[in-house]
Amino acid sequence: AQTVTQSQPEMSVQEAETVTLSCTYDTSESDYYLFWYKQPPSRQMILVIRQEAYKQQNATENRFSVNFQKAAKSFSLKISDSQLGDAAMYFCAYRSAGQGGKLIFGQGTELSVKP
Amino acid sequence: GAGVSQSPSNKVTEKGKDVELRCDPISGHTALYWYRQRLGQGLEFLIYFQGNSAPDKSGLPSDRFSAERTGESVSTLTIQRTQQEDSAVYLCASSLGSGSSYEQYFGPGTRLTVT
Repeated sequence: AQTVTQSQPEMSVQEAETVTLSCTYDTSESDYYLFWYKQPPSRQMILVIRQEAYKQQNATENRFSVNFQKAAKSFSLKISDSQLGDAAMYFCAYRSAGQGGKLIFGQGTELSVKP
Repeated sequence: GAGVSQSPSNKVTEKGKDVELRCDPISGHTALYWYRQRLGQGLEFLIYFQGNSAPDKSGLPSDRFSAERTGESVSTLTIQRTQQEDSAVYLCASSLGSGSSYEQYFGPGTRLTVT
C-alpha cells in the first residue's frame, strides 16, 4: 500500500521570504501523480500544484514550485515571495495512474506567515 | 459555475443516532469521492462512485458506514449508530471522470460532532 509522510507539523515564514515544505512517499508503482493541496480555515481543499511521475521536469505554478526526486521518493513544495494569504494547512497527496483515482494524503503541515 | 456543495455544514448528534450527510457534485461530473478528516489529520478515502459502475467501498471503516449515489447526481453518506470516534469533517469531491488526469474538486465539508 502507498503511504505519504509529511514530517513537519508546523512551519513558519516571514512575508516575502521563501519556504519549503517536505513530503516523502512510499510506493512500488512506477506511474502515479503527486499533488499539493492547500486547506484554509474555510476547509475548502484547493489544488496548488500537481506532478506526473513520468515527467522529469519539476512543475511550477507562479510562486509555487516542486522538487520531485523520484528515486528518493521525495516531493517538496517551495513557496516563493510568501504572502499572508498563503497561511493554511498544506497536504501532500499521492494518486495511482489509471482508473479509480482515490487520493492518499499526508498528515499535513500548518504554515503560518508572519508580517 | 457552482462548485461542490455539502449539507449540513455542521451536525451535532448524540452517540447511537444515525446521520445522513449530503453531497451535490458539480453538474456533469461522473466521479464522486467521500473522504474523512479527523482533527489535525490528513484526509482518509472512504468510498468512490463512477457512473453506473459498482462503487469502490474499500475505505469504509465499518459496516455502520454506507453511501449511495443516484446516477451522476447527489450522494448521501449514512453513518448508523454513531460513535464518538466518528467525529470528523466529511469531505466530498467530484471530477469529470475517474482517470488520473482529472482534477478532484472538493466541497466545504460537513463537520460531524458526536456527543
